[in-house]
Amino acid sequence: KQEVTQIPAALSVPEGENLVLNCSFTDSAIYNLQWFRQDPGKGLTSLLLIQSSQREQTSGRLNASLDKSSGRSTLYIAASQPGDSATYLCAVRRNNDMRFGAGTRLTVKP
Amino acid sequence: SQTIHQWPATLVQPVGSPLSLECTVEGTSNPNLYWYRQAAGRGLQLLFYSVGIGQISSEVPQNLSASRPQDRQFILSSKKLLLSDSGFYLCAWSVGSSTDTQYFGPGTRLTVL
Repeated sequence: KQEVTQIPAALSVPEGENLVLNCSFTDSAIYNLQWFRQDPGKGLTSLLLIQSSQREQTSGRLNASLDKSSGRSTLYIAASQPGDSATYLCAVRRNNDMRFGAGTRLTVKP
Repeated sequence: SQTIHQWPATLVQPVGSPLSLECTVEGTSNPNLYWYRQAAGRGLQLLFYSVGIGQISSEVPQNLSASRPQDRQFILSSKKLLLSDSGFYLCAWSVGSSTDTQYFGPGTRLTVL
């Protein structure tokens, strides 16, 4: 059974810092890994999707990496801003089965 | 462009009452549709998914059921709610293969008292 773990559960940083969020999964037989952002009481917004054959994806200040063999992914956020404050979720997918981590709650202080 | 709608946005129901949550997708045809539940402090749990009208797969045993009466409509139901059914319910859609992105709706906050 696939299990997805995100560390840390919560993170607070001052504005401008670079930061890394971690995601690990137990079964490397995945099709893709996706990072989402969730604002309080809202739905999920897709940030980056990494296919199993890819090593990383970049979008603006965000960079996500995938090491499928070791069951790890990182989300790097450069020059963090208060607007980045949210919960970040990673999810791994195989067929129609998508497993989520519990998320990292990020607070960026001005 | 594609959009996904969920209603109601919030719902407070007594234990033992029925439930019906609706999700509709616009701007795409034959989407894969999903229902997730997010309990307080926990990750999202896949409840049901559907690859076509009348085709429903259940991921976990529970007192909930799902139906897909139309191509772009997905309904989550219960005959009798339990306290443990409280949570944030999210509908999502995708098209094509298993490698495609899932897009999520705004969610329904359900509180069972």
